[in-house]
Amino acid sequence: KQEVTQIPAALSVPEGENLVLNCSFTDSAIYNLQWFRQDPGKGLTSLLLIQSSQREQTSGRLNASLDKSSGRSTLYIAASQPGDSATYLCAVRLGSSNTGKLIFGQGTTLQVKP
Amino acid sequence: NAGVMQNPRHLVRRRGQEARLRCSPMKGHSHVYWYRQLPEEGLKFMVYLQKENIIDESGMPKERFSAEFPKEGPSILRIQQVVRGDSAAYFCASSQPPVNTEAFFGQGTRLTVV
Repeated sequence: KQEVTQIPAALSVPEGENLVLNCSFTDSAIYNLQWFRQDPGKGLTSLLLIQSSQREQTSGRLNASLDKSSGRSTLYIAASQPGDSATYLCAVRLGSSNTGKLIFGQGTTLQVKP
Repeated sequence: NAGVMQNPRHLVRRRGQEARLRCSPMKGHSHVYWYRQLPEEGLKFMVYLQKENIIDESGMPKERFSAEFPKEGPSILRIQQVVRGDSAAYFCASSQPPVNTEAFFGQGTRLTVV
């Protein structure tokens, strides 16, 4: 059974710091991995999608890496800003699944202090 | 191109009533997913539908819950005889074929059972 774990559960940093959020999964046979952002009381915003054949994806100040063999992904946020404060969710799609359903981690709640 | 639209955003029901949650996928998307986020828990997959077909309902509770995605109109998640434990945020996501493409989420419906 695929399990997704995100560490740390919460993180508080001063503005301007670079930071790394971690995601691990128990079954390396994934199809792809998607990072999301969720603001309090809001829906999920897709940040990055990494296919199983890729090592990393970049979008602006965000960089996500994937090491499928070790079951790990990281989300790197450069020069953090107070507007980055949110919960960040990692989710995987199983390679054996033909339904595309996502299995989510519990999330990392990030607070960036001005 | 409007995003995934869910309504209502907030829904209050008394125990024993029925709840109907609606989801209109993004234009051109034929895959719809429903997820539930219980308080203090992560997002859990409930059901995956294509037009007029339920493809995977492995995450749906066996009783009181049903979902449909008719040929015309939005997808509906229906909860009969609601109980307090049904209080949660219900999110809909949609994607284009093939099945493992990027998923886009709606703002969610927050159901409160009193």
